[in-house]
Amino acid sequence: QQQVKQSPQSLIVQKGGISIINCAYENTAFDYFPWYQQFPGKGPALLIAIRPDVSEKKEGRFTISFNKSAKQFSLHIMDSQPGDSATYFCAASMARDDKIIFGKGTRLHILP
Amino acid sequence: EAGVTQSPTHLIKTRGQQVTLRCSPISGHTSVYWYQQALGLGLQFLLWYDEGEERNRGNFPPRFSGRQFPNYSSELNVNALELEDSALYLCASSIGANQPQHFGDGTRLSIL
Repeated sequence: QQQVKQSPQSLIVQKGGISIINCAYENTAFDYFPWYQQFPGKGPALLIAIRPDVSEKKEGRFTISFNKSAKQFSLHIMDSQPGDSATYFCAASMARDDKIIFGKGTRLHILP
Repeated sequence: EAGVTQSPTHLIKTRGQQVTLRCSPISGHTSVYWYQQALGLGLQFLLWYDEGEERNRGNFPPRFSGRQFPNYSSELNVNALELEDSALYLCASSIGANQPQHFGDGTRLSIL
């Protein structure tokens, strides 16, 4: 019940296209859903985050869509660029224990 | 503003040895978190410290321990190292519970 399931494992998108990564969770006590971007040799960097009282959040080319009833959320990267090539992690946490549960990650490659 | 800093960046140890990893949080952050990123296992929560106290612990054996100092920096100690402890150890900090966590670039620990 503590899991966050992420798909796909890897994704190849043409430059200028839309990259979509999907995640699902079971525990309804989760109340914070961040997305992290990780480049090789670096730590994860917080990209964008959402709380369950909001159905969508947009920051630049990055959008989180959140479906509370389906217990699913997704990251959309519009106008994908080669510099977006990285591993993306969805995650979830709850206030009472503050630990982040991470998905397994998606390796995104944007073709130039 | 300086980010989360971790030292050392790389470390090689042998089975049975002990190791100490260090983390300095972002200025103004009082909470420090430790995560393990091992191949095939993803990112897993280890420990959370806030105001010098251990607040939560992940599913790791007692030979993983740590502490937080009055200046909010933190140490992670691992005793009796095993081969499966080879991983990237990541430290994150936040301004408090249930707030965005920001990661350092980690310490790469290799056990021979």
